[in-house]
Amino acid sequence: KAGVTQTPRYLIKTRGQQVTLSCSPISGHRSVSWYQQTPGQGLQFLFEYFSETQRNKGNFPGRFSGRQFSNSRSEMNVSTLELGDSALYLCASSLVLAGEVETQYFGPGTRLLVL
Amino acid sequence: AQSVAQPEDQVNVAEGNPLTVKCTYSVSGNPYLFWYVQYPNRGLQFLLKYITGDNLVKGSYGFEAEFNKSQTSFHLKKPSALVSDSALYFCAVRAASGGYQKVTFGIGTKLQVIP
Repeated sequence: KAGVTQTPRYLIKTRGQQVTLSCSPISGHRSVSWYQQTPGQGLQFLFEYFSETQRNKGNFPGRFSGRQFSNSRSEMNVSTLELGDSALYLCASSLVLAGEVETQYFGPGTRLLVL
Repeated sequence: AQSVAQPEDQVNVAEGNPLTVKCTYSVSGNPYLFWYVQYPNRGLQFLLKYITGDNLVKGSYGFEAEFNKSQTSFHLKKPSALVSDSALYFCAVRAASGGYQKVTFGIGTKLQVIP
């Protein structure tokens, strides 16, 4: 079974631009979460989607948004990029079963550099 | 507020020696605890999780972790370290928060196994 895939793997943008990152979950997984990883802040939760609905959101400004499609693929968008948005963005998918505690499986990440 | 502490930025251990990577947590209610490992320029890989039951949990690559409710700890252990275990290790807690399942990661501990 294929793992979580993220595209692109690397991205360079300039301040003020916007960017869209994509995540394809493991087949059958309906929950997708996004995290930002930086050396200073570590792993920080951005948001989580399940069945095309955002069901949880971290403490990030409105410039960060996301969505999930009917095939469970998810996109994350960051508008008006700032230097501090340079980070590794990780996507994780999980299988949601009633009464189960989900294990998240992570993709390799998209490394974003904002100049 | 939910939190995870990994008190050691780095742990050095000689190959063949036992290793321990420490993790303590703070949550309201019952925690679900996870350990992940991250190799350079890679996403996170699931190692093990504690949901309920036996306090000693066995996971991938010979790792195990002990849940201690009174000390709110979930330390990662391995009886005999390998050089290939050198990586960044993250502890995470998942617990109910405002109707959602919130995930919080520790800042990570770098494990260096010395040949």
